[in-house]
Amino acid sequence: SAVISQKPSRDICQRGTSLTIQCQVDSQVTMMFWYRQQPGQSLTLIATANQGSEATYESGFVIDKFPISRPNLTFSTLTVSNMSPEDSSIYLCSAVGTGGTEAFFGQGTRLTVV
Amino acid sequence: AQSVTQPDIHITVSEGASLELRCNYSYGATPYLFWYVQSPGQGLQLLLKYFSGDTLVQGIKGFEAEFKRSQSSFNLRKPSVHWSDAAEYFCAVVGGGYQKVTFGTGTKLQVIP
Repeated sequence: SAVISQKPSRDICQRGTSLTIQCQVDSQVTMMFWYRQQPGQSLTLIATANQGSEATYESGFVIDKFPISRPNLTFSTLTVSNMSPEDSSIYLCSAVGTGGTEAFFGQGTRLTVV
Repeated sequence: AQSVTQPDIHITVSEGASLELRCNYSYGATPYLFWYVQSPGQGLQLLLKYFSGDTLVQGIKGFEAEFKRSQSSFNLRKPSVHWSDAAEYFCAVVGGGYQKVTFGTGTKLQVIP
């Protein structure tokens, strides 16, 4: 199994600013993902974080708004740029181990934009 | 494209009663299916998963789920619910080769004394 540490766990930010969320996995994993969970909603995939190359974004999400880095096999960051109140959500990091049979999730970052 | 439907947004059961949460999926081949639970303010915890073999899978916390290909369903069950089971439950599907996870909309479970 893999343990995922995500920080910050929560933050309140001013509109127009940016926040970078960090995700650290305690073991090497093959794939890492970033999800958004808007209030009262399910999880929506933002992008797949690719090691050493640009992330793969899902429809409706763009790199300028959600730049992602993955410099190595155990670490990734998601930046929420030029925030507006509509970006208030929980953002979750996920990782799939080398066995490829389970996705592990961090505790999430609860973001409030005011 | 794969998709998951959880038709029940909210369910209330009495403590000690049985529980069944419904999940229907859409995928062209044999899917990988999961149930996750999310307690308030917490991340997601895997309850159980189905890849192949026995269609009745056992999970943690006394949960089980049955894969029914003919109905494209993967319903979650528990014979006797505890107050600590109150949480939101998500069914999820993954395409072959372990790609992205697609989640259902979730079912919020309330347990009353």
